[in-house]
Amino acid sequence: GAGVSQSPSNKVTEKGKDVELRCDPISGHTALYWYRQSLGQGLEFLIYFQGNSAPDKSGLPSDRFSAERTGGSVSTLTIQRTQQEDSAVYLCASSLSSGGYTDTQYFGPGTRLTVL
Amino acid sequence: AQSVTQPDIHITVSEGASLELRCNYSYGATPYLFWYVQSPGQGLQLLLKYFSGDTLVQGIKGFEAEFKRSQSSFNLRKPSVHWSDAAEYFCVFSGTYKYIFGTGTRLKVLA
Repeated sequence: GAGVSQSPSNKVTEKGKDVELRCDPISGHTALYWYRQSLGQGLEFLIYFQGNSAPDKSGLPSDRFSAERTGGSVSTLTIQRTQQEDSAVYLCASSLSSGGYTDTQYFGPGTRLTVL
Repeated sequence: AQSVTQPDIHITVSEGASLELRCNYSYGATPYLFWYVQSPGQGLQLLLKYFSGDTLVQGIKGFEAEFKRSQSSFNLRKPSVHWSDAAEYFCVFSGTYKYIFGTGTRLKVLA
């Protein structure tokens, strides 16, 4: 079946611009996660959705970052007024059930964001 | 605090040689551990996972891992490496819904 998809695969933007990154989870998966992979910080958790609600936004690095999920499916991560330190690969993952610690997360291919 | 450590940043092996990638965790209770692989330009693919029970876990692509509570380790092994195994490998701890990743081990395979 179809896996997690993300778009765009690559995004180059100028400092100060806003960007939107999209994630389509596996059909039927109720939990959705965003992670960031950068050279200096490795892989970091950003936010977790259960359905359309985000009970944990603790990993969002600043108020320039926001995310939403609609219809219990597609999620959008928005970065406002991008900075060069936002350059990274943004990974989305989904899991079948309630986001418990035994859930296996399935990852998308990521969006590589470059801020010039 | 919960953490996972991968002591080796880079490993180089010859094709056909055996492989062991190290992973150590810090957690007071039974951890839930995963190994994922990331090929260049690709997302993360699950190789195997450990929740409980048998401490030797079999995964895809001929990989296995052994959970050793006494050593707080969950090392990944493969008896004979193929050139296509060149990638970055991540040990992952799950104590809640969010994953905690090790820093990764980049594997290079020599022909």
